[in-house]
Amino acid sequence: DVKVTQSSRYLVKRTGEKVFLECVQDMDHENMFWYRQDPGLGLRLIYFSYDVKMKEKGDIPEGYSVSREKKERFSLILESASTNQTSMYLCASSSPSSGGYNEQFFGPGTRLTVL
Amino acid sequence: RKEVEQDPGPFNVPEGATVAFNCTYSNSASQSFFWYRQDCRKEPKLLMSVYSSGNEDGRFTAQLNRASQYISLLIRDSKLSDSATYLCVVIMNSGGYQKVTFGIGTKLQVIP
Repeated sequence: DVKVTQSSRYLVKRTGEKVFLECVQDMDHENMFWYRQDPGLGLRLIYFSYDVKMKEKGDIPEGYSVSREKKERFSLILESASTNQTSMYLCASSSPSSGGYNEQFFGPGTRLTVL
Repeated sequence: RKEVEQDPGPFNVPEGATVAFNCTYSNSASQSFFWYRQDCRKEPKLLMSVYSSGNEDGRFTAQLNRASQYISLLIRDSKLSDSATYLCVVIMNSGGYQKVTFGIGTKLQVIP
């Protein structure tokens, strides 16, 4: 059974703290993604990775960085958390496609609150 | 104009009703289209693909209209369990990789 796990369901941090969000998938997928989801704005892509040690900026990368040292693990880092980064963070993975699109499997999400 | 637009709803419909949602996209070069379902406080999950010829899966029918640049989802004989948010997804090949854009979702509430 396909599984994407995220390190925390709920997280509360203070402004200025460094925050790590971890995502692990057990499907041997090459592709991994980090989104944030906000009311009225939907899912927005922060960063994605198509291979180990590879990363690409998504639509809203400012204030975030990522790390992909192992195929199964994709970490999202908030170097200095700010209140406007309070959001639901969703990780996803998919297998590579050759011309088509492969379904993205999502983790359960981490609801981050920055005070 | 947003790349992908959906009416956020909510659509409140009685059990057994037929309901349809549309999703418009701005880039005519978009190539693939999908519907995802997201239950309250859960992650999105793929519901179905959308083809030009239409795609039917039980009570659900998805259609693509390239000329008018929209996709639709029709749900017949609504069940209480259909209550969820339905996200449309538009895919476009860009710079050697796929650009995936999600709509904000349309919330459906099926009422007993």
